[in-house]
Amino acid sequence: DAEITQSPRHKITETGRQVTLACHQTWNHNNMFWYRQDLGHGLRLIHYSYGVQDTNKGEVSDGYSVSRSNTEDLPLTLESAASSQTSVYFCASSPSGSGGELFFGEGSRLTVL
Amino acid sequence: KQEVTQIPAALSVPEGENLVLNCSFTDSAIYNLQWFRQDPGKGLTSLLLIQSSQREQTSGRLNASLDKSSGRSTLYIAASQPGDSATYLCAVPYSGGGADGLTFGKGTHLIIQP
Repeated sequence: DAEITQSPRHKITETGRQVTLACHQTWNHNNMFWYRQDLGHGLRLIHYSYGVQDTNKGEVSDGYSVSRSNTEDLPLTLESAASSQTSVYFCASSPSGSGGELFFGEGSRLTVL
Repeated sequence: KQEVTQIPAALSVPEGENLVLNCSFTDSAIYNLQWFRQDPGKGLTSLLLIQSSQREQTSGRLNASLDKSSGRSTLYIAASQPGDSATYLCAVPYSGGGADGLTFGKGTHLIIQP
């Protein structure tokens, strides 16, 4: 079955370190998204991509970057981790165009000490 | 900016009851609306996707309705079971099409008592 997988599922890091969260989907979806989920804020969009070489900023993109070198992967990089970036991160994908159903990964819990 | 509100924030009912979860959104020019379920420590699972041209969608014991003009959607759960316990979220596109991501409500935390 097609799926979307995230790694690592749990990570603890220190302030100032670079961290990369991986996202891999096997649906061949063109649209991919990164969200963070925090108590009191719900889910907020970080970055998204419509396809290879395309990336766009979402609502809370400061301190994060993404790159899209193939259809299957959209890694999320925290250039210099901050305690405010402690959160649960979700990757999602949807088919090309608009109006498509969104499919989520299981999430990556990041703690920045 | 699109804003999504879900009421109630939490709900606890005995098994077997029929219940309604509410979702409202500020910009009625939406392309679609999705309802999701999230279990503790897990990702989101899509339950129902309603296109703007539809009034409702059904899947098993779940029925979702959409009233674009009033900016409202409801999720109806019939004959609730303990396995329905989870957080339910609704979401609409940031902009009309939805290809640039969804705006989510903060969810309704549902507990079904055996």
